[in-house]
Amino acid sequence: AQSVAQPEDQVNVAEGNPLTVKCTYSVSGNPYLFWYVQYPNRGLQFLLKYITGDNLVKGSYGFEAEFNKSQTSFHLKKPSALVSDSALYFCAVRDGNSGYSTLTFGKGTMLLVSP
Amino acid sequence: GAGVSQSPSNKVTEKGKDVELRCDPISGHTALYWYRQSLGQGLEFLIYFQGNSAPDKSGLPSDRFSAERTGGSVSTLTIQRTQQEDSAVYLCASSPAPSGRMETQYFGPGTRLLVL
Repeated sequence: AQSVAQPEDQVNVAEGNPLTVKCTYSVSGNPYLFWYVQYPNRGLQFLLKYITGDNLVKGSYGFEAEFNKSQTSFHLKKPSALVSDSALYFCAVRDGNSGYSTLTFGKGTMLLVSP
Repeated sequence: GAGVSQSPSNKVTEKGKDVELRCDPISGHTALYWYRQSLGQGLEFLIYFQGNSAPDKSGLPSDRFSAERTGGSVSTLTIQRTQQEDSAVYLCASSPAPSGRMETQYFGPGTRLLVL
């Protein structure tokens, strides 16, 4: 079985401050990890993914995520938040060693960046 | 290039009516997925098509839900005898020919379904 948890329903941060959106996962094999962002009334947009290699993954719009195998985490980060980053963020996982073909998504974390 | 498109963007229907939702994947993508996003919930997997293989229907919540994919391209999700709890945003995604399970899924804008 594969699962993902986003422990925070909402994260508030002031513009210009660093932001972190947390994600932890559970898989039996090697994890393939993804972050997506959803703006109001829009579909999900791909931000970044971890498959293998460097634990720090850089993605779109200045976002990055750090894969930590020992803590089974894949937190999303950005050094300096923008008001336009305010959106709903989803973490997703796929077990790279299983026959299951789809992504399992977390419930999402609403990021609110204040001016 | 064109992304994943879905139609209609919004659908209001009466309880008990049937609805059809359409998804046009990115050209050349062989994998197609349907998800449901309810208010305050994450994405719930519904069904997955990969090429000519039998679809993975394990996420369909009841036998009122069905989907087909014609010619390996366009897909239609059908909900029969709609219920108010079917109200949600239905999202479609596609991904390229698989090279393992690492392919990124690209999402359409969704169809917002409201059952009165």
